[in-house]
Amino acid sequence: GDSVTQMEGPVTLSEEAFLTINCTYTATGYPSLFWYVQYPGEGLQLLLKATKADDKGSNKGFEATYRKETTSFHLEKGSVQVSDSAVYFCALSSGGSNYKLTFGKGTLLTVNP
Amino acid sequence: DTAVSQTPKYLVTQMGNDKSIKCEQNLGHDTMYWYKQDSKKFLKIMFSYNNKELIINETVPNRFSPKSPDKAHLNLHINSLELGDSAVYFCASSQKTGVYEQYFGPGTRLTVT
Repeated sequence: GDSVTQMEGPVTLSEEAFLTINCTYTATGYPSLFWYVQYPGEGLQLLLKATKADDKGSNKGFEATYRKETTSFHLEKGSVQVSDSAVYFCALSSGGSNYKLTFGKGTLLTVNP
Repeated sequence: DTAVSQTPKYLVTQMGNDKSIKCEQNLGHDTMYWYKQDSKKFLKIMFSYNNKELIINETVPNRFSPKSPDKAHLNLHINSLELGDSAVYFCASSQKTGVYEQYFGPGTRLTVT
């Protein structure tokens, strides 16, 4: 079945540091890939997505590239801010799974001033 | 105007009780979902409805029964609550089934004592 593996947290960075959160996946067919973000006490929000190989999703300074050869979708940001502190979820949606979202376990990011 | 709303936000109840969580979306979406997030933040789909029809039913105890009276509402009824049911339950909706962004509600924190 489909699965998503993302790096375990928590990740603690200083403001303006570079962020990478690794995500790899296993899926049947050609999945679409997503990063969702959950701020404290809130529901999830879509951060970015990519629907085919070599697509790059980007939003709010975050970006991730769909790499079919390495089955990866790593999240990066060049300079994090305190307001980026949240839990980040990598997810995939595959037609073989009736288009349900399969999530990774989430990575807690804390950015200190 | 809230896109996906859930009530109640917090629910504290005793083992053996029956409770319901309500979800409404005002986005005009066809598809709605229920997810469970455990204490380690792991998020797993429970059910999905498309145009009031059940399309995804993961391995969930039959004490959990979703009901969709119309496209804009998806309620979750839980019978004979157990300690292990304590979690945050998220409702979500998307335009259709398929690779569409899912919009999440703020969550309902259920605590069973």
